[in-house]
This record gives sequence, C-alpha cells and structure tokens, in this order.
Amino acid sequence: ETGVTQTPRHLVMGMTNKKSLKCEQHLGHNAMYWYKQSAKKPLELMFVYNFKEQTENNSVPSRFSPECPNSSHLFLHLHTLQPEDSALYLCASSQDGEASPLHFGNGTRLTVT
Amino acid sequence: GQNIDQPTEMTATEGAIVQINCTYQTSGFNGLFWYQQHAGEAPTFLSYNVLDGLEEKGRFSSFLSRSKGYSYLLLKELQMKDSASYLCADMDSNYQLIWGAGTKLIIKP
Repeated sequence: ETGVTQTPRHLVMGMTNKKSLKCEQHLGHNAMYWYKQSAKKPLELMFVYNFKEQTENNSVPSRFSPECPNSSHLFLHLHTLQPEDSALYLCASSQDGEASPLHFGNGTRLTVT
Repeated sequence: GQNIDQPTEMTATEGAIVQINCTYQTSGFNGLFWYQQHAGEAPTFLSYNVLDGLEEKGRFSSFLSRSKGYSYLLLKELQMKDSASYLCADMDSNYQLIWGAGTKLIIKP
C-alpha cells in the first residue's frame, strides 16, 4: 500500500478510443503529478497540480488532458492516442510542490493499438 | 543544460557492497534524490541530500559533492530483494526533478 492508488493497472485502447486514468492519494498532500515512464528512458514529467491549480504543463500534446477536482484526486483523460504513447503512466503526490519527496502510485500500463 | 548520468546496469553478489554513481549538470540545485523501483511497482523514496557529505540510513547510504556534481548510493550487505532499478534525480532551481534513466541492479547468489 503506497498511499497513492491508481486505476486501472492495465489499459489497452485503440487510437480512436477515449479513456481516463484515475489517481487518488490518501496522504493529505497538496501537490499531485503525472509522469510518463518508457523503457530505459528517464521519467518524463507531464503535469503538476499544486493546491488544485495546474502549475506545470511540460509541452504535453493536447490528446492528454488532466483534471484535478480536489487535492486528493487526479485524472488523465486520453483521446486519439498514438502507439508511441504506450508506456507506464505514474501518478505521484508530495506534501508541497518544493523539496519534499514524491510518493508514487503503482502506475497504469497503457498499450495503444 | 540539464543532464543526469548513471550506469544502465550493474551486477553484484549477495552479501557484498555496491556503489551506484550519478553525475548531474543542472542550472540551480535544490537537492539530490534517490528512488528504488522494483519491476512492476512504484518508485519509492530512499534518500535526499542537499548538503555535501554522507547520509547513512541502515544498509543504504547516499553521498553528495555539489562542487563535483556527483552523488552515489551505497548499498551494503546486499540481499536478493535489493534487485531493482535505482533512480537518481536532482531538483533544479524551479523545484523540478531532473531524472536519470535509472540503474538496474542485479544481485546474484
């Protein structure tokens, strides 16, 4: 139990589908993050929310759309993805958006066919 | 520029000691993190160094030299469960983490 829960664990979707990834943190943290992890590559930061406000969008294509309704929940809405978007998508939270450690969820393994 | 270098893979023997090196070149610096990630699992926080020197935490220690842009993670009395990827990340002046690609550590009996 990591304190950060992601669903689903695995997702296979076609390029025309629309799906959403969900993340929930039970740690009382104020910052939440979406990361993309591809094999043998560094973690790529996608989005950061601090006190429910989006503070980072690292040039992510518009086919990825984040939503943060409150400080405990984070969504990543997916539509018209490409095969190269297949990766592990990790959600994380931290106490604040500064030098506090990240707590990660187990990720969603996404395959785009 | 921003760049983190760490070895792709290392092999060590159960019971031995292994040192995983990490070098960074970042504009501004707000600390150096190490995370452990077992296959199919979440990365978990191991250590944070912001001042020069060695921080010891049980079997694991982490070292930082800011002047050299260098850190290492030292694992003692290796156990089979230490087989994992070890991720180095430094925090820049905007509190953004710059990640290495990770070092896969293989422990052999």
